[in-house]
Amino acid sequence: DAKTTQPPSMDCAEGRAANLPCNHSTISGNEYVYWYRQIHSQGPQYIIHGLKNNETNEMASLIITEDRKSSTLILPHATLRDTAVYYCIVRILTDSWGKLQFGAGTQVVVTP
Amino acid sequence: AAGVIQSPRHLIKEKRETATLKCYPIPRHDTVYWYQQGPGQDPQFLISFYEKMQSDKGSIPDRFSAQQFSDYHSELNMSSLELGDSALYFCASSLELNRASGYNEQFFGPGTRLTVL
Repeated sequence: DAKTTQPPSMDCAEGRAANLPCNHSTISGNEYVYWYRQIHSQGPQYIIHGLKNNETNEMASLIITEDRKSSTLILPHATLRDTAVYYCIVRILTDSWGKLQFGAGTQVVVTP
Repeated sequence: AAGVIQSPRHLIKEKRETATLKCYPIPRHDTVYWYQQGPGQDPQFLISFYEKMQSDKGSIPDRFSAQQFSDYHSELNMSSLELGDSALYFCASSLELNRASGYNEQFFGPGTRLTVL
């Protein structure tokens, strides 16, 4: 699976949008971009995923560049409960999905 | 909605002892994953099972073994415990890949915190 690069930390004001970048320059055509987050010591939680097109759900939006070498997770109105480590993970579509490979994510701190 | 259940939530063991962690997946989920998260580290994949067969293997020590039973619950057995085994152990479950959408969400349990003294 392709490697990803994320900034180690990011601060965001409550109520503002949080834009989390992820670089995956070696991504291949059959690899999806997944985002998970982990609130302190809790189990990781799925946020969103995408292949080529931008995606939106009730939690966030995912913007993938046309060349697919980078993406941005957008939390539209950050709340204090969004404070967590956010992981960008690239996963290949195969017969068996197998493991999630967690790299060094981004620690997001939402402040009042 | 039902979630992944892990037991026990906390476990304290001495060096060289054995430990068994249990995981009960979300009903009708056919795949179980185990992850280890050491202090200040990111979760690391250990092993997974699909329909009671081992489907993938990560950096799981030879001292550890796991299986998935006929009711789909899974157990992680850890022997000859070492201080470095102290960690949070997460179990996750999922349904088989939805190929049309590329959707495969793993649902994580609350974890078992293992402390080896």
